[in-house]
Formats: sequence, structure tokens, C-alpha cells
Amino acid sequence: RKEVEQDPGPFNVPEGATVAFNCTYSNSASQSFFWYRQDCRKEPKLLMSVYSSGNEDGRFTAQLNRASQYISLLIRDSKLSDSATYLCVVSLSGGYNKLIFGAGTRLAVHP
Amino acid sequence: GAGVSQSPSNKVTEKGKDVELRCDPISGHTALYWYRQSLGQGLEFLIYFQGNSAPDKSGLPSDRFSAERTGGSVSTLTIQRTQQEDSAVYLCASSLVGAMRLAGYEQYFGPGTRLTVT
Repeated sequence: RKEVEQDPGPFNVPEGATVAFNCTYSNSASQSFFWYRQDCRKEPKLLMSVYSSGNEDGRFTAQLNRASQYISLLIRDSKLSDSATYLCVVSLSGGYNKLIFGAGTRLAVHP
Repeated sequence: GAGVSQSPSNKVTEKGKDVELRCDPISGHTALYWYRQSLGQGLEFLIYFQGNSAPDKSGLPSDRFSAERTGGSVSTLTIQRTQQEDSAVYLCASSLVGAMRLAGYEQYFGPGTRLTVT
């Protein structure tokens, strides 16, 4: 079983739609959680951290369920520029920033 | 300011040859990481450097892989006797600090080196 699992998609949605991505992780000792965005043939960039209480950044909302070992990302009012691959990322305990990446979920927003 | 830079951007090599990939982290960043991304796969952790501490090499897939970080700045990832399964994008990242609990832990990635072994 992969340490971080995501639906690879693609999710094809029209502009303005709301879309949700889910992710599960296998190691209950995971301490920190993130969503990264990766454009085609580009490097990953941090989109947002995910906190236990859930957090929002503009049109993006992230949720964490530690009991179910489940992370989600909700994108409201999708824009064409949101088209990218979204990487679910966890960090294990260990005192430093060793990141475990999911394979990503591809989003394509069309006019 | 300048981000993480990597060179070369693309490298095609023959099976069995050695390759060296270079990473210049953001100035002042103490932590440096190497990952690789194979087609359709997530990023795979390879090695981590933090200041003058011994590196965490737990992600290196075989003893053909090694990395150095000279003077706490530039890093070189070396792959000896390359195999076709080594073909991937090799990404370097740096962060201000290495500890998750401290501010400045966000990792900034370079553009990667696309390695193709023929």
C-alpha cells in the first residue's frame, strides 16, 4: 500500500465549478499535512498547509481527519488557472521536514 | 530574489555511465533535499542535508547513488553506472530551517533535472 494515496483523476470541470480532492495516508504517526500544486513540467509549489481544525485560503479549503487518516482539498469557483496537478503531502514525525508525496490528482478546468 | 537552481536542466546519458546533477539552494537556506519524480509517480525522497549534521540518506535507492553538500551550500547528486530505471526528474529543494516546528520550514523546489538513460 502506498503511504499517500490519491485519485489520479483527471477531474474535468467547467469554470465556476466546485471540486473536491481526497487523500488518505497510511502512517498514523504523520504529523504535518500539506497540499502542493504542480503545473505541467514545473516544480511543485506549496499551496497550503492543512491544520486539524481545517483552514481556508480564499477559494481553497483544506480539511484533515486524523481518525480516518484522510485529507481533503475543496476548490470553489474554479478558474482556468487552477488547472494543475494537486499533490497531497504528509510529513512523518522525526523532527524535520521529510515529506512524503502522493502521486497527485490532475485537475483540468475548461471554459 | 534568486530561487533554487539546478543544472543541467536535461541530461541524456547511456546506460552504465556516471552522471552528476547540481543544485544551488536559496542563499541562507540551511536545509537541502533531493527528490526524484518518475513518470506518473509522486516525488520520492532521496536525501536530506541540514547544516553540518550527517545527512539522512535513507531514501537513496541503491549504493550507486550518492550526494555531497560542500560548504553548506551547493549540492551534487551522483549516480554511478546509470540504469534505465534511473530515468526521472530529479528535484532539489531547500528550506530556511529543517525543523517542521519552526517557521521557515517551507521547501522551495528547483526546476529539476530531467535525466534520460538510454
